[in-house]
Amino acid sequence: QKEVEQNSGPLSVPEGAIASLNCTYSDRGSQSFFWYRQYSGKSPELIMFIYSNGDKEDGRFTAQLNKASQYVSLLIRDSQPSDSATYLCAVMGSNTGKLIFGQGTTLQVKP
Amino acid sequence: EAGVTQSPTHLIKTRGQQVTLRCSPISGHTSVYWYQQALGLGLQFLLWYDEGEERNRGNFPPRFSGRQFPNYSSELNVNALELEDSALYLCASSGWNNEQFFGPGTRLTVL
Repeated sequence: QKEVEQNSGPLSVPEGAIASLNCTYSDRGSQSFFWYRQYSGKSPELIMFIYSNGDKEDGRFTAQLNKASQYVSLLIRDSQPSDSATYLCAVMGSNTGKLIFGQGTTLQVKP
Repeated sequence: EAGVTQSPTHLIKTRGQQVTLRCSPISGHTSVYWYQQALGLGLQFLLWYDEGEERNRGNFPPRFSGRQFPNYSSELNVNALELEDSALYLCASSGWNNEQFFGPGTRLTVL
């Protein structure tokens, strides 16, 4: 079992729709959870982080964390073609400094 | 505010050579992290430096090493280069809250 699992996609949604990206993790000791966006040929860009169970909203992005189910998700509302990228889920244990990344989900937003 | 900077942008080396990659963190950040993103393998954690000390190390051989300077900049050294070391090497920095922000990366090609 991989430490952090994501569906590789591609996930295709029409412009203006809600894109839902999911991630599961295996280490119950994980403390912090991050979503990065990576455009082809570029470095990852931090878009959301969450530490507590529940929802966290920032603009069009909402991160959802359920530690009991070891599940974290990212919702993108009003998806735009510029949101087309690979979305990386990452988790960190307590005081390790080490981000463990999933393989990423490719999102395609079609005009 | 300037982001994380890395140099060089691209590098071509031959097997057996040695390489040094450089990273300057965001102003005020004391932690620097190194990751390797090889094709098909995803992002893998290499090293974590904080306040000049190595705090954690990923599952890489000893020929991968580094250091952090008093100004918090960092170097990653790779000795005895192998073909499979070809990858994008990413540096990230963080302050007190563990949110890691990535630099643009150094693309290393080993021939």
